[in-house]
Parts: sequence; structure tokens; C-alpha cells
Amino acid sequence: DTGVSQDPRHKITKRGQNVTFRCDPISEHNRLYWYRQTLGQGPEFLTYFQNEAQLEKSRLLSDRFSAERPKGSFSTLEIQRTEQGDSAMYLCASSFGTAPNTEAFFGQGTRLTVV
Amino acid sequence: AQKITQTQPGMFVQEKEAVTLDCTYDTSDPSYGLFWYKQPSSGEMIFLIYQGSYDQQNATEGRYSLNFQKARKSANLVISASQLGDSAMYFCAMTPYTGGFKTIFGAGTRLFVKA
Repeated sequence: DTGVSQDPRHKITKRGQNVTFRCDPISEHNRLYWYRQTLGQGPEFLTYFQNEAQLEKSRLLSDRFSAERPKGSFSTLEIQRTEQGDSAMYLCASSFGTAPNTEAFFGQGTRLTVV
Repeated sequence: AQKITQTQPGMFVQEKEAVTLDCTYDTSDPSYGLFWYKQPSSGEMIFLIYQGSYDQQNATEGRYSLNFQKARKSANLVISASQLGDSAMYFCAMTPYTGGFKTIFGAGTRLFVKA
């Protein structure tokens, strides 16, 4: 296993278009997280899955954002009708277990640029 | 409200010297975990060290140690014997143990190690 994988690494899209990102966590990791990171800031929590259940969702995740993890393995994050303010790095992370003190392993992120 | 504050946007340290990166946090949760992550220019977040709120001893991981002062709500990272490869962004993060597994990150400190 080579770690958390995100695809694509970079995405440039026109304003108003829809985009979808994929995250493949470390196999057997039951928890999966999405974060958004803008330049000069730390990651901001977007949403969290335990297996296939989406257990928590940030207020940052407007109705244009949706995330799924259909079989408890890979996850997708879709942004509809993209806006320039959506330009950011989207990070995925995964961890194993039910205790909150386990470290999360991060992917290298998908950098979205909305023009 | 949960909050992480990192007051040092940038820090310089001479190679082989020790450096302390500051982190203060605010939470009303009685139980929480504190993490430090490193983010090199490649973008991925690398876990460094963890401290639980009920841990009596300060955490150590190789050259990294966490100076945990619960009453002051501070969790400073100490890097001993700095190396050129330590140049990166460093993020302090907190996960409350109640109400889900939302991890909150600070804005980060950029560390520059000089030869």
C-alpha cells in the first residue's frame, strides 16, 4: 500500500463547471476526511466518513458540495457550479480505528483553480 | 469555540540548533488530542507527534518533543538538532474527543533552517 492517493493532482476549470475529485484511502482505514486548504492557511475540515456513513459535515460545505463514500473504500468530492472562491487545495486523509487519537494519513491533495 | 493559534508566521533556525514552535488552543471539551503535522513544499501533510489531554508526560518522537502545558492551553513543538530537511510549514491541530472527529488546524508556522 502506497498511502492515500488523490486524483487528479491539479484541476483547472471554468467558473460554473462541475468538478469531481477522487480519494483512495489506505486500505482497511475506516475513517476518511476531506479538508480544504487555501494559501497561507491551515486545512479546514469539510466532512468525515466512518466506513460509508457521512458522520459530520462542516458549514463550509455548501449545497454545491457533495461527498460520497459508497462502499466504504474510495471517496469522491463533487463541486457543482464552481466559483472562483472554490480555488484551493483539497486534501483527503484517512485513519484506522474508532479512537480519535489515531493519526491521520494525508494524500498530496488536489489543487483546484477556477478561472 | 474551538480554536488553534500559531503566532509565528515564520521562524529561522541555524542548522543543528533547537527551535520551538508555539501553539495555543482553546476548547471547552475536557478530552482532546493535540497533533503536529509537517507540510513540505510537495504538499502532503506528515504526522509528527501526538499528545492526549490526559497524558501526564510530554510526548516525544525522535527529534520532536511536545511541551504540553495544559493549564496554559499550550502545546509547543520542540525540534532538536535542526536539519535542512526540516524546512517546511508546521501545523498544530486539535481533535476534541466529543461531538465527532473534526480536527481543527492552526494557520501554521513556516520554518527556515539555515546552513
